[in-house]
Amino acid sequence: NAGVTQTPKFRVLKTGQSMTLLCAQDMNHEYMYWYRQDPGMGLRLIHYSVGEGTTAKGEVPDGYNVSRLKKQNFLLGLESAAPSQTSVYFCASRMHSGYEQYFGPGTRLTVT
Amino acid sequence: ELKVEQNPLFLSMQEGKNYTIYCNYSTTSDRLYWYRQDPGKSLESLFVLLSNGAVKQEGRLMASLDTKARLSTLHITAAVHDLSATYFCAVAPRGGADGLTFGKGTHLIIQP
Repeated sequence: NAGVTQTPKFRVLKTGQSMTLLCAQDMNHEYMYWYRQDPGMGLRLIHYSVGEGTTAKGEVPDGYNVSRLKKQNFLLGLESAAPSQTSVYFCASRMHSGYEQYFGPGTRLTVT
Repeated sequence: ELKVEQNPLFLSMQEGKNYTIYCNYSTTSDRLYWYRQDPGKSLESLFVLLSNGAVKQEGRLMASLDTKARLSTLHITAAVHDLSATYFCAVAPRGGADGLTFGKGTHLIIQP
């Protein structure tokens, strides 16, 4: 099993550009999460999903959209990137009946 | 709103010494997590604590949970250089699929 994978690993955007980050898991987990991590901070929840076709806002959702069209994939979109969105983005997943969250390797995004 | 506070945020200690990291949280929770993060890496799960009085140990690390005081501790015994990392505690709201709320992390440096 690959666990949780994230694509891409690194990306540099210019202000106003758009992009989509892909999270994929092969563990058949129901719940998936997107977090961002800024220097000196813990992770903060952006959006999450409890199942295919459902999403919900987390602590810092502004400027992001998400979609979960397939159970194994959770997409995070930036429609018009801003320098404040420079961060490391982590995806995680877990079983609805479990406690452990499994984290992906992260995507380092820089917006200039 | 759930808030999680860790202290200290920075800790430099010598090998062989013992120390404790504290994690306070503001509202009722039924799950508390400890993670380790090395520079440029993802989060590694250390412990999940589920009930009042829970204690878990792995090698030189021991975590405990007091839900009445809303306090968890991560105790390091006879520290070694390999334990140098950033340690995060994270709390899940009671019930449901909501994501985790993280503390800001404790940056631990263990010097020979």
